[in-house]
Amino acid sequence: QVQLQESGPGLVKPSQTLSLTCTVSGGSISSGSYYWSWIRQPAGKGLEWIGRIYTNGRTNYNPSLKSRVTISVDTSKNQFSLKLSSVTAADTAVYYCARDKGGDYGDYDWGQGTLVTVSS
Amino acid sequence: QTVVTQEPSFSVSPGGTVTLTCGLSSGSVSTSYYPSWYQQTPGQAPRTLIYSTNTRSSGVPDRFSGSILGDKAALTITGAQADDESDYYCVLYMGGGIWVFGGGTKLTVL
Repeated sequence: QVQLQESGPGLVKPSQTLSLTCTVSGGSISSGSYYWSWIRQPAGKGLEWIGRIYTNGRTNYNPSLKSRVTISVDTSKNQFSLKLSSVTAADTAVYYCARDKGGDYGDYDWGQGTLVTVSS
Repeated sequence: QTVVTQEPSFSVSPGGTVTLTCGLSSGSVSTSYYPSWYQQTPGQAPRTLIYSTNTRSSGVPDRFSGSILGDKAALTITGAQADDESDYYCVLYMGGGIWVFGGGTKLTVL
C-alpha cells in the first residue's frame, strides 16, 4: 500500500517561492506507470488541480498557474516536489500530493495534506 | 475557460437516494472526460469514490455509483447514511494532460 506524505515550510513570505516535497513509501516512485500530482484547497473552498509529473518525467500544469509552477521527481529519495514562485496570499491553502494509481483516470491515493500560509 | 459545475448543496433523508451531478459551463460531459468523484469530510484529505465515470475505487461500497445522465456526469448514493454527510467533488479530464475540479457539493443527510 503506497503512502504519501507532504512536507515543507508552513509559512512563506509574499513574492517568495513555495517549496513542498511528497515522500512516497511502500513502493518505488520510478516503478510502474503513474502520474504524481499536486492539488490544493484554500480554506473553505474547493479543490484545485495544480499539475502532475509522469514516471518518465513529462509534466502537465494548470494553465492558470503554469508560469509559476515546477514539479520534479527525485528518484534517489523516492520523492517528488512542487515549487510555486512569486506567491501571494491567494496561494494560501492546504496542499495535497497524490498518485493516480489507475494510470490516468483520477483514481488517486492521497497524502494527508499540509497547510501553507503566505504572509509577511 | 470552461468551468466544471456542481450543485452547491443538496440534502437527502437517511435511507434515501440522491444523485449529484457534474457538468460543463459549455458543452456536455461524456465518458471521454473520465469523470471522477471524491468525498471529503472536514479536516480530512479527499477519498476517491469513483473514477473513469463508473468504476468504484478499492474499498468503496456499492451504494456509490457513477454514470452519465444526459449531458452531465452523475454520482448516485443509495441508502444514504449519516456518515455520507460530506463534500463531494468531481474532476474532469480536459485533454492535453489537464484536469479541472468542480466547485463541490455539500451533502446534508437529515
